[in-house]
Amino acid sequence: EVQLVESGGGLVQPGGSLRLSCAASGFTLSSYWMHWARQAPGKGPVWVSRINSDGSSARYADSVKGRFTIFRDNAKNTLYLQMNSLRVEDTAVYYCVTWQWKDWGQGTLVTVSS
Amino acid sequence: DIQMTQSPSSLSASVGDRVTITCQASQDIDNYLNWFQQKPGKAPKLLIYDASNLETGVPSRFSGSGSGTDFTFTISSLQPEDIATYYCQHYDNLRLFTFGPGTKVDVK
Repeated sequence: EVQLVESGGGLVQPGGSLRLSCAASGFTLSSYWMHWARQAPGKGPVWVSRINSDGSSARYADSVKGRFTIFRDNAKNTLYLQMNSLRVEDTAVYYCVTWQWKDWGQGTLVTVSS
Repeated sequence: DIQMTQSPSSLSASVGDRVTITCQASQDIDNYLNWFQQKPGKAPKLLIYDASNLETGVPSRFSGSGSGTDFTFTISSLQPEDIATYYCQHYDNLRLFTFGPGTKVDVK
């Protein structure tokens, strides 16, 4: 059974940084492209970033480009999202998702507030 | 950028009713469209991929159709457990992804 468990969320001040992790099990992470998506309170989901299977290629939503970095450690079966220069509008539940959107983690809440 | 619109934004129907949601793209997206169901406090769940293909394990009362700019999602007989918000999602050849604004479905 595919399991994705996000961690690393929390409260951070504007301009701060956080690193999210997504521990994958039940499948071989190295075989799959992966996404991060987020959902602000009361809003719909939004795609944030994707990465290819070996980590050599990534794409980002315009809203996070230059501030967020997606990367992975296939040996540890873990996906990451490094978030810098955080803004109030980055407040959301962040999900890691398998490439074809079939499997989602439970999400981790990031709150950016002073 | 391609914009996705959904209608209606919310609806209320009776158990057993046929429910239809539409999703429109601002330009031709072929069949590059998914449909998701999201219940409160839960992650979205993929129901339909490539506009009309039912994801494994999803009840057959759910269906999708369309191509180009206009797409339809249908629940043939609404069940109480179908109360949720439904989102369409476009994906393109740049591997970028855009969700629609959502349709909230309630039972009368």
